[in-house]
Amino acid sequence: NAGVTQTPKFQVLKTGQSMTLQCAQDMNHEYMSWYRQDPGMGLRLIHYSVGAGITDQGEVPNGYNVSRSTTEDFPLRLLSAAPSQTSVYFCASSQTSGDNEQFFGPGTRLTVL
Amino acid sequence: AQSVTQPDIHITVSEGASLELRCNYSYGATPYLFWYVQSPGQGLQLLLKYFSGDTLVQGIKGFEAEFKRSQSSFNLRKPSVHWSDAAEYFCASGEAGNNRKLIWGLGTSLAVNP
Repeated sequence: NAGVTQTPKFQVLKTGQSMTLQCAQDMNHEYMSWYRQDPGMGLRLIHYSVGAGITDQGEVPNGYNVSRSTTEDFPLRLLSAAPSQTSVYFCASSQTSGDNEQFFGPGTRLTVL
Repeated sequence: AQSVTQPDIHITVSEGASLELRCNYSYGATPYLFWYVQSPGQGLQLLLKYFSGDTLVQGIKGFEAEFKRSQSSFNLRKPSVHWSDAAEYFCASGEAGNNRKLIWGLGTSLAVNP
């Protein structure tokens, strides 16, 4: 199993550009989520999904869109990048029953100029 | 609002010394509690978790944590720290009514002196 994979690892954008951060998991987990990590602010939940076709907002959803067309994939879209979105983004997945452990991807470091 | 507090932003210990990282949660009932570790430039890895039962839980890499309801705490301990333990440590709690969502502490950065 590859676990949770994220692409790209690094990305530089200009203000106003759009892009999609990819996240995939091969563990058949129903729950997937996106976090951003900023110095001194810990992990903040952006969006999450409890299964294909179901998404919901987390703590800091503004400026981001998600969709969940398959169990495996949970892409995060930045519609019009802003410097405030410079951050490290982590995708995580877990089962919706039994063990609560969230498995994390390696992260995407995004810089918006 | 439900919260998780890690009072220590940064801790430095000597290699071989014991370690205790503090975590306090705010939630009336017994929450799901977790400790994760993040090595530099890496994702997060689960060290241990507590749901119910024995209040002393063992994790990977020689770590343990003790749930104390009376103190609303879930402190992480290790008897002898290794240089490779230098990392960021995060405590998290399952959100009330939706334990798939985690409430995160801000983390404690651990440095280990040789």
